[in-house]
Amino acid sequence: EAGVAQSPRYKIIEKRQSVAFWCNPISGHATLYWYQQILGQGPKLLIQFQNNGVVDDSQLPKDRFSAERLKGVDSTLKIQPAKLEDSAVYLCASSLGSLLTGLNTEAFFGQGTRLTVV
Amino acid sequence: GENVEQHPSTLSVQEGDSAVIKCTYSDSASNYFPWYKQELGKRPQLIIDIRSNVGEKKDQRIAVTLNKTAKHFSLHITETQPEDSAVYFCAARWLPGGSYIPTFGRGTSLIVHP
Repeated sequence: EAGVAQSPRYKIIEKRQSVAFWCNPISGHATLYWYQQILGQGPKLLIQFQNNGVVDDSQLPKDRFSAERLKGVDSTLKIQPAKLEDSAVYLCASSLGSLLTGLNTEAFFGQGTRLTVV
Repeated sequence: GENVEQHPSTLSVQEGDSAVIKCTYSDSASNYFPWYKQELGKRPQLIIDIRSNVGEKKDQRIAVTLNKTAKHFSLHITETQPEDSAVYFCAARWLPGGSYIPTFGRGTSLIVHP
C-alpha cells in the first residue's frame, strides 16, 4: 500500500517569503492532519480535515498559515509570510476512519517537509 | 486544552534490559492513547495504542498500561534491542469527536547500547 506522500522534502526560504507544502494521503483515507514538529519536540497539530471540511484549526496561526483540501483528497499548507520560528518539519498524516465514529483512527504519517527559514 | 507530560526525555539502557516511558495527561475526557516511534529522520509510526476501557495492552515485547484515576499511562519495552533506539512519543485525545485535537508529549530518546 502506498504511504502518505509529501513534497518537497526540504525547503529553505528567507523570512517574509512564502512557501507551500503538498500532501497526498493514502487512498480512501477520510481524515487528514497537518502537524508542525519543531526540533526536539513532539508533533503539534495545526489543522485536521474530515474529507474536504475543516474539523479543527484552533492551533493554526491564521494570520500567516492557511490550508485547504479541495475535493477531499490532496491538501496544501501555505505560510505567508514566513518567520524564523516557523523552521520545523511539517508532517502530514491521514487515517481511514471518521473522527465522528472513532474507528480506524490509526494515523499514518508522511516523511515530512523540513522547512528552514533564514 | 489537554496537556501531556512525558518522562524521561532521554533513556539509556543496555541491550536486553527493560525500558519504561511514562506520560501524564490533564484532561480526564481523553480516552485514546497512542504511542509512536520515530527513528532519526523518519516519520512517526504507531507502535501500540490503548483505549480507556482497558488497563493494559500487550504486543510481543511492547506493553502499555493505563491508570485513568491517576491520569497516567506508560510504555514498557522488554528485552530491548539496538533497533529499538528511537524517539518515542505518547499522545492523548478523545474519540469520537473531531473537535478534540490529539496532543503529543515532547518525546523520549531511547538509546539501547549493544
